[in-house]
Amino acid sequence: GQQVMQIPQYQHVQEGEDFTTYCNSSTTLSNIQWYKQRPGGHPVFLIQLVKSGEVKKQKRLTFQFGEAKKNSSLHITATQTTDVGTYFCASSGGGADGLTFGKGTHLIIQP
Amino acid sequence: DAMVIQNPRYQVTQFGKPVTLSCSQTLNHNVMYWYQQKSSQAPKLLFHYYDKDFNNEADTPDNFQSRRPNTSFCFLDIRSPGLGDAAMYLCATSIYEKLFFGSGTQLSVL
Repeated sequence: GQQVMQIPQYQHVQEGEDFTTYCNSSTTLSNIQWYKQRPGGHPVFLIQLVKSGEVKKQKRLTFQFGEAKKNSSLHITATQTTDVGTYFCASSGGGADGLTFGKGTHLIIQP
Repeated sequence: DAMVIQNPRYQVTQFGKPVTLSCSQTLNHNVMYWYQQKSSQAPKLLFHYYDKDFNNEADTPDNFQSRRPNTSFCFLDIRSPGLGDAAMYLCATSIYEKLFFGSGTQLSVL
């Protein structure tokens, strides 16, 4: 997979505040995927973005893929305690080569 | 219903004592992966199988081997575990590049 840089590494928010994590690459990505990993759990697929400028929503989650296909973001509106976990972006080189994960953003929510 | 199953959930081994982790899948996916994840880090790809074709990542140590006797099963063998190999080992399958992970095996090395 292609290298992806993810920021921030940690994000503390009050419950009800919004949260955003960003993923960047120096090269054009064929696609970007987002995974959520709860504490003590395993990564769970959230979404895949393929098209330039693509925006997808899942309830309070909004995913964007940049026009140049070099960056992506995940935005959560009005965080809840169930949103706690680590959010990873990941990219593949295509085919069965496997995903390369960003370092993840650990979301900590204070009630 | 669990689709990617890893056993055991926790494994303790001794320094230098070979250990095998197992993974099975009910999804009939052609591709299976092994990832290593250390605490607070991203999963790191060790190797993958496309059917029986084995693909090793360039920086995967020789200490790590894998076997895939059939579509459903895949094994990770660590020949001489060191303290640095303590980690969560995640098995995953894939279709259309989307990964399905098992619950992982947490390996401790004493």
